[in-house]
Amino acid sequence: DAGITQSPRHKVTETGTPVTLRCHQTENHRYMYWYRQDPGHGLRLIHYSYGVKDTDKGEVSDGYSVSRSKTEDFLLTLESATSSQTSVYFCAIRAQDSRRTEAFFGQGTRLTVV
Amino acid sequence: AQTVTQSQPEMSVQEAETVTLSCTYDTSESDYYLFWYKQPPSRQMILVIRQEAYKQQNATENRFSVNFQKAAKSFSLKISDSQLGDAAMYFCAYRQNTDKLIFGTGTRLQVFP
Repeated sequence: DAGITQSPRHKVTETGTPVTLRCHQTENHRYMYWYRQDPGHGLRLIHYSYGVKDTDKGEVSDGYSVSRSKTEDFLLTLESATSSQTSVYFCAIRAQDSRRTEAFFGQGTRLTVV
Repeated sequence: AQTVTQSQPEMSVQEAETVTLSCTYDTSESDYYLFWYKQPPSRQMILVIRQEAYKQQNATENRFSVNFQKAAKSFSLKISDSQLGDAAMYFCAYRQNTDKLIFGTGTRLQVFP
């Protein structure tokens, strides 16, 4: 398995509270992604990073922010959680070694906002 | 913006039979990459097969093969000799030379004995 770890794996939080999800990699890969998975929507890109302090928005970035201060860590923050952000969140990493490399995924974090 | 469409929310197949999952995409680029990922109930995302757009030859990985029609922007996955362990969600994904990796909505495959 690719060296990618998401934490926490499960979280229940209250509406209006801030939440931070962590993605940690040991592969020194350049690219990191955050997705959310919801029934009927597949995986939707929230934010991604192409290097330390280099990030960009995906298709569903509203209500989310990210930070990447080190190559190995990519943090996803919900500033004020809402029930619509209840979802399963996946982190993915991708190397720059070859244009053909695929993305490797973490195990996912199930977040419930009550 | 690039989009990926999987028009079959669910498919079923009998063990040992062949099934084809459909995927279409929209892009104005000529150089890009396509992938099929499998997600079993464990939730782990597993790469099944990949295709580089500049290659005319269809990719094959054991029982899995693709039918890549670049002009039609179609990328279907064929699973031969289906096994019970093939039951999962299957996602088609697209990536061009930029960094974004875009997924379709998925197809749930059931395999009956």
